[in-house]
Amino acid sequence: EVLLVESGGALVQPGRSLRLSCTASGFTFGDYAMTWVRQAPGKGLEWVGFTRSKAFGATTEYAASVRGRFIISRDASKNIAYLQMNSLKIEDTAVYYCTSYRVTTWTSFELWGPGTMVTVSS
Amino acid sequence: QSALTQPHSVSGSPGQSVTISCTGTNNDIGDNNYVSWYQQHPGEAPKLMIYDVTKRPSGVPDRFSGSKSGNTASLTISGLQAEDEADYYCCSYVGSFTWVFGGGTKLTVL
Repeated sequence: EVLLVESGGALVQPGRSLRLSCTASGFTFGDYAMTWVRQAPGKGLEWVGFTRSKAFGATTEYAASVRGRFIISRDASKNIAYLQMNSLKIEDTAVYYCTSYRVTTWTSFELWGPGTMVTVSS
Repeated sequence: QSALTQPHSVSGSPGQSVTISCTGTNNDIGDNNYVSWYQQHPGEAPKLMIYDVTKRPSGVPDRFSGSKSGNTASLTISGLQAEDEADYYCCSYVGSFTWVFGGGTKLTVL
């Protein structure tokens, strides 16, 4: 079965760092692009960042709201992607989802994990 | 990049059809055919319903269809069912491997 599962969400103080993980099973995660999407409590979806497959150098792009603070990386050997979040702000409080695709295309978000909650508060 | 514009809410009775619009600009919806739609029930992760404007992933009922005209994309749900009640989000590729979502539309089945 093809699955994505996020982990690492926590309560953290403003200015601190946190690393989220996205573990894939049932497919070779590194062969596919992946995207992080977040959803603040009671709000809509927000695109956070994207990384290409390893075949394309796993290059990354970020939303303006997180660029320079968040970093996406991958460990192909472990089928895991990470979201390193630095200099966290209160407005980063959200459920963070990792997404990817298998059958559709890299332009859409076919597979979703259940999400992990990040709360930034003093 | 500003969020795409969706109506806050729409409603319809069982068996009816409803259409949710998603308005962007020449830089996103109007610039490519990479619009997707997501359904989200409370407490759950979003689910892909339509991709590349009109394509349906396997398992999505053919009651769901997508279209686009200029800078506006639309999701039409025909033969409304109670389980269709959910939030719906559109999303467009913006280029350079970046995307933008709409603000979401709450669908109520009366």
